[in-house]
Amino acid sequence: EPEVTQTPSHQVTQMGQEVILRCVPISNHLYFYWYRQILGQKVEFLVSFYNNEISEKSEIFDDQFSVERPDGSNFTLKIRSTKLEDSAMYFCASSELQGKEQFFGPGTRLTVL
Amino acid sequence: AQKVTQAQTEISVVEKEDVTLDCVYETRDTTYYLFWYKQPPSGELVFLIRRNSFDEQNEISGRYSWNFQKSTSSFNFTITASQVVDSAVYFCALSEMGSGGYNKLIFGAGTRLAVHP
Repeated sequence: EPEVTQTPSHQVTQMGQEVILRCVPISNHLYFYWYRQILGQKVEFLVSFYNNEISEKSEIFDDQFSVERPDGSNFTLKIRSTKLEDSAMYFCASSELQGKEQFFGPGTRLTVL
Repeated sequence: AQKVTQAQTEISVVEKEDVTLDCVYETRDTTYYLFWYKQPPSGELVFLIRRNSFDEQNEISGRYSWNFQKSTSSFNFTITASQVVDSAVYFCALSEMGSGGYNKLIFGAGTRLAVHP
């Protein structure tokens, strides 16, 4: 069964460093998303991406964040200069169409020291 | 105001008991979508069900059933004859029209279900 994959599973970084989180969405899906979940809290939307551009972003997704689809399969989230409060589980998701169910990857746990 | 409210923070039951997880949502849209996701201890988010606002039929899938009532803005989830493997955090989520369409899922705070043998 097709699934969303994410790498790495765990990333530890120093405050101020750049990180890139990688995702491979399900191959026939057109919509891609990033969410984050701070430990013990709810899942929060960051950004959605369609047709090679951002379709919606939350107030969390400030200038420190960017997304890219560098090739036909990968979808990346870059955090330019990490802060302690960026420590969270980051989930990538994809859906066939907007409004359809979103399938989530296993997540990348980001720890900022 | 919370868009999606899951008032039950934690529920603890004994195996084989039935349990209902409540979800109340708030939206001004007439077209919207509701979802339930399961997050087991391993951490992944597993899709369970999607409902559109025009379909109020209740749904049953094995031991799982969902009751959608627009009149009370509720989308409740019942597990019949619970099992230890049902232990997880369950999230209800809403998708309504945003700036780019029906993109983001707005999650509730989740309900942690513990099923004891």
